[in-house]
Amino acid sequence: SQELEQSPQSLIVQEGKNLTINCTSSKTLYGLYWYKQKYGEGLIFLMMLQKGGEEKSHEKITAKLDEKKQQSSLHITASQPSHAGIYLCGADVTGTYKYIFGTGTRLKVLA
Amino acid sequence: DAGVIQSPRHEVTEMGQEVTLRCKPISGHNSLFWYRQTMMRGLELLIYFNNNVPIDDSGMPEDRFSAKMPNASFSTLKIQPSEPRDSAVYFCASSLNGNTIYFGEGSWLTVV
Repeated sequence: SQELEQSPQSLIVQEGKNLTINCTSSKTLYGLYWYKQKYGEGLIFLMMLQKGGEEKSHEKITAKLDEKKQQSSLHITASQPSHAGIYLCGADVTGTYKYIFGTGTRLKVLA
Repeated sequence: DAGVIQSPRHEVTEMGQEVTLRCKPISGHNSLFWYRQTMMRGLELLIYFNNNVPIDDSGMPEDRFSAKMPNASFSTLKIQPSEPRDSAVYFCASSLNGNTIYFGEGSWLTVV
């Protein structure tokens, strides 16, 4: 959806490098999700952020929601080949549980 | 616990045929979503239900698409007649009160 813009669209990094993926909206985000998808499979839930300024971590992945609740970033520290896949941000932009998704960021990690 | 269950996982059909995709949400969840994923357009929300009632179907492409949720444990997405441009992966997802959305494995549709 154009209401949620993700950048970059694709990313190739060397194993061990850090990387950041961004998700931006022109509207207030009432709930922001990050998912990971491998080709041919469903979406795996990573994290949910709801409060402005909130930050959550899971293993080597950290996600933040800015104070204005219009942008989120996903940061991977010391990337590994297992991190490869498509990362999607999803959000409720209407406050009515209508969840839309960004176009995704394709990540490849070179061993 | 069983997750969101979709069927069929794969379907190949001829143009003009009717296609019915099925979804069983997670027990107790009160919101159900149908999404379509393509390389060109990404993951698009087609329609979503709250407590079995369709809330927003503005993402449904055209009248050839219809969705129903006759009870809390079952939903269908129907395409009639199907066209090659309908080829995509169709995902069903469910959640409880707007909390974490859980996705099914998807139904891969190819219309030839």
